[in-house]
Amino acid sequence: QQPVQSPQAVILREGEDAVINCSSSKALYSVHWYRQKHGEAPVFLMILLKGGEQKGHDKISASFNEKKQQSSLYLTASQLSYSGTYFCGTDRYSGGGADGLTFGKGTHLIIQP
Amino acid sequence: DGGITQSPKYLFRKEGQNVTLSCEQNLNHDAMYWYRQDPGQGLRLIYYSQIVNDFQKGDIAEGYSVSREKKESFPLTVTSAQKNPTAFYLCASSGGHNSYDEQYFGPGTRLTVT
Repeated sequence: QQPVQSPQAVILREGEDAVINCSSSKALYSVHWYRQKHGEAPVFLMILLKGGEQKGHDKISASFNEKKQQSSLYLTASQLSYSGTYFCGTDRYSGGGADGLTFGKGTHLIIQP
Repeated sequence: DGGITQSPKYLFRKEGQNVTLSCEQNLNHDAMYWYRQDPGQGLRLIYYSQIVNDFQKGDIAEGYSVSREKKESFPLTVTSAQKNPTAFYLCASSGGHNSYDEQYFGPGTRLTVT
């Protein structure tokens, strides 16, 4: 099942904060976050694992609520370079294997000067 | 530099023709993936391979075929049976055998079929 992302789009002024949410209807082992600029490849931001482990960029923070099957990505003091489409990806199977990801439809983030 | 290459960047084909998209990685990764991206749809998994000479269908495998004869190569063939092949195709790889490993994406191939 495809995870649901919210909001669909956000417009911010440079320096403002944003939260992007990802919600799944099934139990999750991990949640991945990627950012994609138009016409380019998605770039890895963060992985959050069941049990609290996570890895990713130092300037990005995120949370993973296993009970609610939700994850949130926190973008603070946004910069122009943060603009793009943010995708969350969840395991296709709950076992945690390298079986590929199911991605949400994305959240479009526009940062204005 | 290590990374994933996809070629060509743009590809145009006539309806009814098969076409093969190239994906090569020099990251020494075991797992490789093919995703399709349509406007407003996110990325959808077509096929994946966890090891050489083995691959599995993803969520939208119909009309596609793959091979994994070498660790570094995972070509995707879009056959004439694929009803709506025009899309942006992304290849990815990951180093391990679990979902804790991030996926590295190639630059993509934009396929247009008329």
